[in-house]
Amino acid sequence: SQTIHQWPATLVQPVGSPLSLECTVEGTSNPNLYWYRQAAGRGLQLLFYSVGIGQISSEVPQNLSASRPQDRQFILSSKKLLLSDSGFYLCARTDTGVGEQYFGPGTRLTVT
Amino acid sequence: SQQGEEDPQALSIQEGENATMNCSYKTSINNLQWYRQNSGRGLVHLILIRSNEREKHSGRLRVTLDTSKKSSSLLITASRAADTASYFCATDGKNSGYSTLTFGKGTMLLVSP
Repeated sequence: SQTIHQWPATLVQPVGSPLSLECTVEGTSNPNLYWYRQAAGRGLQLLFYSVGIGQISSEVPQNLSASRPQDRQFILSSKKLLLSDSGFYLCARTDTGVGEQYFGPGTRLTVT
Repeated sequence: SQQGEEDPQALSIQEGENATMNCSYKTSINNLQWYRQNSGRGLVHLILIRSNEREKHSGRLRVTLDTSKKSSSLLITASRAADTASYFCATDGKNSGYSTLTFGKGTMLLVSP
């Protein structure tokens, strides 16, 4: 199966604290990986995507960063969280090329 | 900015009825996709329609695409309470060989028993 794992499932962090969200993918090699954020009652906003190890493209300037240290691992980080970083963070993958994306279960982040 | 805009924002129907959701977009696309999201969960891919296709079926789902009007519709026939979810359209733009989706805000569908 081509499963996507995300952890933690939920997270409550104070403003100014660091963040690290992890996404790992099983069953596929060299996937394209994506980080999305979904604010309450809204659609998904693409934050970062990666077509390979160490290759990160940013869609939205912000205080978040992403890294891909291994082929099947995608990490979303922040050095100092803002209140506006609260939301539902989703990792997704697609096989090389254009096509449907498969999503992980998400991490709900609340910044207090 | 949001590429796809779904209409209506919310839809409430009875089991057995059909549900139709519409999506409009602004720029050229490679394909358009529909996803479902149950409350608090990840998205599930439903159907993909390519820019050279006009209609596609999958089970109780029927999707149409009109590239001249830059619009798509999702029809769910004989709806069930389990269809209750938010539905999103997403457009896949003409990028260089990889998929970057732009999502709309979604339609929240409530199917009552």
